[in-house]
Amino acid sequence: DGGITQSPKYLFRKEGQNVTLSCEQNLNHDAMYWYRQDPGQGLRLIYYSQIVNDFQKGDIAEGYSVSREKKESFPLTVTSAQKNPTAFYLCASSIQGQRWDSPLHFGNGTRLTVT
Amino acid sequence: AQSVAQPEDQVNVAEGNPLTVKCTYSVSGNPYLFWYVQYPNRGLQFLLKYITGDNLVKGSYGFEAEFNKSQTSFHLKKPSALVSDSALYFCAVRDFANSGYSTLTFGKGTMLLVSP
Repeated sequence: DGGITQSPKYLFRKEGQNVTLSCEQNLNHDAMYWYRQDPGQGLRLIYYSQIVNDFQKGDIAEGYSVSREKKESFPLTVTSAQKNPTAFYLCASSIQGQRWDSPLHFGNGTRLTVT
Repeated sequence: AQSVAQPEDQVNVAEGNPLTVKCTYSVSGNPYLFWYVQYPNRGLQFLLKYITGDNLVKGSYGFEAEFNKSQTSFHLKKPSALVSDSALYFCAVRDFANSGYSTLTFGKGTMLLVSP
């Protein structure tokens, strides 16, 4: 079955360490997205990518970095510069960013805890 | 920028009763609106969308949504609630950047609790 795989499901890190969250999709979608979810704040966009080797900052990109070397993969690195990294991170994809009617498909998320 | 608001943090309803989860939007141009549901520790699942056409949109699991242009609302509804409908519901609107590409902007979510 096609879908989006995020790994790991739970991740624990010490403060000051960088950490990379994995996101892989086999839906043949061009566009991929990273959102952060905090209680009571909904979802906030971190980065998005419409095609390979191209990505754009979202609303809260500071302290994060991404790469898009393959169509299927869009890893997110949470750097030590991110002040409040503990959150639930969601990866999503859609057919094309220019297709305004296409819904986003989400992975099951990675819960990151930094102490 | 486009935005959506979900005025209720939580909605409580008894099983078998109709339910409504409210959403209002603010857009420039035509709205492209979506509803998603999230179960605990899971990703979001797409329920339905409004792009154009009929104001009543039918979606998954018996849910529907009513688009009202004059009230800038897109409320989610279901005629008869199930306990298994208890979850977090998000309204979202297509937003666009100068690049010409688009993303989804989400509301803060409404927790629906259906009691037996």
